[in-house]
Amino acid sequence: GAVVSQHPSWVICKSGTSVKIECRSLDFQATTMFWYRQFPKQSLMLMATSNEGSKATYEQGVEKDKFLINHASLTLSTLTVTSAHPEDSSFYICSARSNSYEQYFGPGTRLTVT
Amino acid sequence: QKEVEQNSGPLSVPEGAIASLNCTYSDRGSQSFFWYRQYSGKSPELIMFIYSNGDKEDGRFTAQLNKASQYVSLLIRDSQPSDSATYLCAVNIRGSARQLTFGSGTQLTVLP
Repeated sequence: GAVVSQHPSWVICKSGTSVKIECRSLDFQATTMFWYRQFPKQSLMLMATSNEGSKATYEQGVEKDKFLINHASLTLSTLTVTSAHPEDSSFYICSARSNSYEQYFGPGTRLTVT
Repeated sequence: QKEVEQNSGPLSVPEGAIASLNCTYSDRGSQSFFWYRQYSGKSPELIMFIYSNGDKEDGRFTAQLNKASQYVSLLIRDSQPSDSATYLCAVNIRGSARQLTFGSGTQLTVLP
């Protein structure tokens, strides 16, 4: 299967700071990337969909000014959590899709805001 | 009605048995179906996908589609304790620009 990487795998930051998470498709070009959030023992929650070179589409209830998404190339998308607060602590997972329907997930980034 | 529904479980089977996981979907026009496995604390891993043209077998895993009843199942033969995980069903809902809609997952425990 296709390989998607994320960096960092875990991060601890102080409340009020911003954190950037990178998602890369290593062996294919991802025309679309997705960002999910998952709280403990809960299901995946789609936050936004990004297409290379265009603005991301955010799901209802997700603040676009707080979760900045940039999909500048066919292999890289970034999620920046701005002014993070403890309630933003979660497991953030990206996935990437080429021209087919299959989505491949990155390993996830565990964010802890203190 | 949710677009993709799964029994949350937990489903427990003894080692060596067949584990059967089911998923129902609401859009009769859906044509692609995916099963992901997610271990605790890890991200989902794609294990099987089928399109509307038939079932698929890969090693111990078989994905079956029943279009008339709008459900897709995943069978795991000779279940192993290492199969214990949450299994997510995902469906391409028509009109969603090929975006997958995920079920909430079924937790499977294989007892040694």
